[in-house]
Amino acid sequence: GEDVEQSLFLSVREGDSSVINCTYTDSSSTYLYWYKQEPGAGLQLLTYIFSNMDMKQDQRLTVLLNKKDKHLSLRIADTQTGDSAIYFCAETSGSARQLTFGSGTQLTVLP
Amino acid sequence: NAGVTQTPKFQVLKTGQSMTLQCAQDMNHNSMYWYRQDPGMGLRLIYYSASEGTTDKGEVPNGYNVSRLNKREFSLRLESAAPSQTSVYFCASSELDRSTDEQYFGPGTRLTVT
Repeated sequence: GEDVEQSLFLSVREGDSSVINCTYTDSSSTYLYWYKQEPGAGLQLLTYIFSNMDMKQDQRLTVLLNKKDKHLSLRIADTQTGDSAIYFCAETSGSARQLTFGSGTQLTVLP
Repeated sequence: NAGVTQTPKFQVLKTGQSMTLQCAQDMNHNSMYWYRQDPGMGLRLIYYSASEGTTDKGEVPNGYNVSRLNKREFSLRLESAAPSQTSVYFCASSELDRSTDEQYFGPGTRLTVT
């Protein structure tokens, strides 16, 4: 079955870059996603990458996809305290595009 | 647009009690989903409804039932609550015709079973 794995915690200093890593198993996923969850809130789509792309850049966010190793990463440049949240990677499968989520990475930004 | 709404926001149940979690979306989406979120385990799919009139089991369906009442509403029922069902429950919806298949999430229901 599908399995998505992430490290649980990451701490960075304000102004530094953050890199959150994810490995996935379903090579048939059309899209891979990064969702952000702030405390006490639901999930919001942060960015996504189509499976035939290697990289996608969106302002401070850079997504890298290595299909051979089934590895996905999210880089946040100039990390701010407002970036403190839990970040989930997810892949889709099935006819209803069900999402399979990783366990989430708690990003803490230190002043 | 309110997006995806869920009620209640918080609930405490005793073991064996029943309750229904309500979810509604105003984006005219075809597909709706129920997830549970537990610490260190991410979100796991309980049930989903690809379109009005259909429902299917997800990864962790035991102890739950669902009803797709109409295109807007998708409810999750716990017939006999157990402490293992203490969790945060999220409803989501999606329009599968859109290229990105983005799912939109509600704010969650925090359920404690004692």
